[in-house]
Amino acid sequence: DSGVTQTPKHLITATGQRVTLRCSPRSGDLSVYWYQQSLDQGLQFLIQYYNGEERAKGNILERFSAQQFPDLHSELNLSSLELGDSALYFCASSVGSGMTEAFFGQGTRLTVV
Amino acid sequence: QQPVQSPQAVILREGEDAVINCSSSKALYSVHWYRQKHGEAPVFLMILLKGGEQKGHEKISASFNEKKQQSSLYLTASQLSYSGTYFCGTSNFGNEKLTFGTGTRLTIIP
Repeated sequence: DSGVTQTPKHLITATGQRVTLRCSPRSGDLSVYWYQQSLDQGLQFLIQYYNGEERAKGNILERFSAQQFPDLHSELNLSSLELGDSALYFCASSVGSGMTEAFFGQGTRLTVV
Repeated sequence: QQPVQSPQAVILREGEDAVINCSSSKALYSVHWYRQKHGEAPVFLMILLKGGEQKGHEKISASFNEKKQQSSLYLTASQLSYSGTYFCGTSNFGNEKLTFGTGTRLTIIP
């Protein structure tokens, strides 16, 4: 158990819908990262927050947004969902903002039908 | 810029050695190595921050050649538990964003 909690574990939704994925980082970790992993693909970096502020942005679609709350948990919002958005979404957390070990949650598997 | 990993996949017998390479077209600041078993979350192995740095983790070690902009992960006397997909993540100077390669699938057979 990495200490990072992601909910829900599985999500099935229709095209055009909007979903919210939630992540609770390890106790004491200030950074939260979101990654997308499609079938047999690598980890695509979406966005990073550090202590409530956006720190780095990857290839995150405009339909996607995220935020980190004062209690440091984070949410990833995916809207106008398309079939191609089906993937495993990982959240990771670390103590620092970059050059430190990151701990990954078990992921949320999103299936868009 | 996504780093390139090679090989894409490798099958070894238990006890054999493996080398996984990770190279970038841009100057690297750091290289992070993770292992992901099927259906599980990636697990941290090590970070290399300096050019020429080498690190070890039990029978798994890595090197970072800053001039060649590449890192190599060495798995010695592989065990069945080493099976999984290995990812390298790289960051460039002045940019903390970590970009992962597409992974190397390692299968260890008895």
